[in-house]
Amino acid sequence: GAVVSQHPSWVICKSGTSVKIECRSLDFQATTMFWYRQFPKQSLMLMATSNEGSKATYEQGVEKDKFLINHASLTLSTLTVTSAHPEDSSFYICSARDRTVEQFFGPGTRLTVL
Amino acid sequence: QQQVKQSPQSLIVQKGGISIINCAYENTAFDYFPWYQQFPGKGPALLIAIRPDVSEKKEGRFTISFNKSAKQFSLHIMDSQPGDSATYFCAGYSGGGADGLTFGKGTHLIIQP
Repeated sequence: GAVVSQHPSWVICKSGTSVKIECRSLDFQATTMFWYRQFPKQSLMLMATSNEGSKATYEQGVEKDKFLINHASLTLSTLTVTSAHPEDSSFYICSARDRTVEQFFGPGTRLTVL
Repeated sequence: QQQVKQSPQSLIVQKGGISIINCAYENTAFDYFPWYQQFPGKGPALLIAIRPDVSEKKEGRFTISFNKSAKQFSLHIMDSQPGDSATYFCAGYSGGGADGLTFGKGTHLIIQP
């Protein structure tokens, strides 16, 4: 089956620093990748959609200058949380779509900002 | 994103019983309705999905029932097992997969042995 990995699985950083999260499709080429955010005991909220080689499309209310997304290849998308603050602490999950309609999710990255 | 309303928020079912989770959607452009299972600290895993031209789909113990006119769909878990204890999310999306998923708020399911 289609496998999506994320790295790191968890990260703790100080307020004001930047953190990069990688999302990789391991056994398929992902034309589209998505980034979601999930707070404890809540649902997943779509942050942005990224297509290989083009700028990401951000959902309303998501700061594109704070959450930088790069989809440089068909197997890799990165999310950089710039100048992170405690309110950015959350579970960040990516998904990747192959040529079918299915979305395959990564295992998530737990970000804690102190 | 338009909403997908999911109920109940939490559900306790005895082992061997039927677990039923309901969802309703607003966006008539949705053309794909997946259900995901999520364990604590993990990413969601696709369980089963349905398109609006089908009224029912069954895979093993999991069945989706779909009512297009009412804009509602539901997940039935037959012979529920303790290992099914997890959070379940319904979702919808449009655009043939080009769009991101709109998730329901989730149902925390507990199967009592």
